[in-house]
Amino acid sequence: SQQGEEDPQALSIQEGENATMNCSYKTSINNLQWYRQNSGRGLVHLILIRSNEREKHSGRLRVTLDTSKKSSSLLITASRAADTASYFCLQGAQKLVFGQGTRLTINP
Amino acid sequence: GAVVSQHPSWVICKSGTSVKIECRSLDFQATTMFWYRQFPKQSLMLMATSNEGSKATYEQGVEKDKFLINHASLTLSTLTVTSAHPEDSSFYICSAEERGLYEQYFGPGTRLTVT
Repeated sequence: SQQGEEDPQALSIQEGENATMNCSYKTSINNLQWYRQNSGRGLVHLILIRSNEREKHSGRLRVTLDTSKKSSSLLITASRAADTASYFCLQGAQKLVFGQGTRLTINP
Repeated sequence: GAVVSQHPSWVICKSGTSVKIECRSLDFQATTMFWYRQFPKQSLMLMATSNEGSKATYEQGVEKDKFLINHASLTLSTLTVTSAHPEDSSFYICSAEERGLYEQYFGPGTRLTVT
């Protein structure tokens, strides 16, 4: 399977703490995108990082990409209850492949 | 920003009937649209890729005669689930890619329940 892996599968932290999620992939990519999905809803695009970039920021989000290790991480700083959702990485390559996702729960 | 809509947002149908789901890019031209299926608590699985004016490319294990995809214009793609069965009950999501750009814009999804 070309599906990548995300870890952890589930993460529960206190509000205000930082949350880190990782995504590993198997094939060469053009870019990697992170999405958020609230329960039973559509996907919200968070950030896109291209294969020639190593780090990208957007508000409280920080994404890194290590193409040598075929991995990416998403860091959410100063988490809020509203950040509770599932987070997926999408490998942009010849074929689009989603990671398994991380279910993040922020406890107030 | 780019907006993709899906219609209907949810549908309940009887086993054996067909259901059509529409995916529209509202403010951009989508040369490529993608259809995904998501089962509860699982990730999205790509079903097929459709390019405007040509036949869709189906992923392995997806029956093209059961899941009919039509991409008749640069702003509309449809997925028809034919002879639906309860195991087809799922969350179907489409995404659209604007010409020359890599970013995917996702629709809000359609929840299909087959009774």
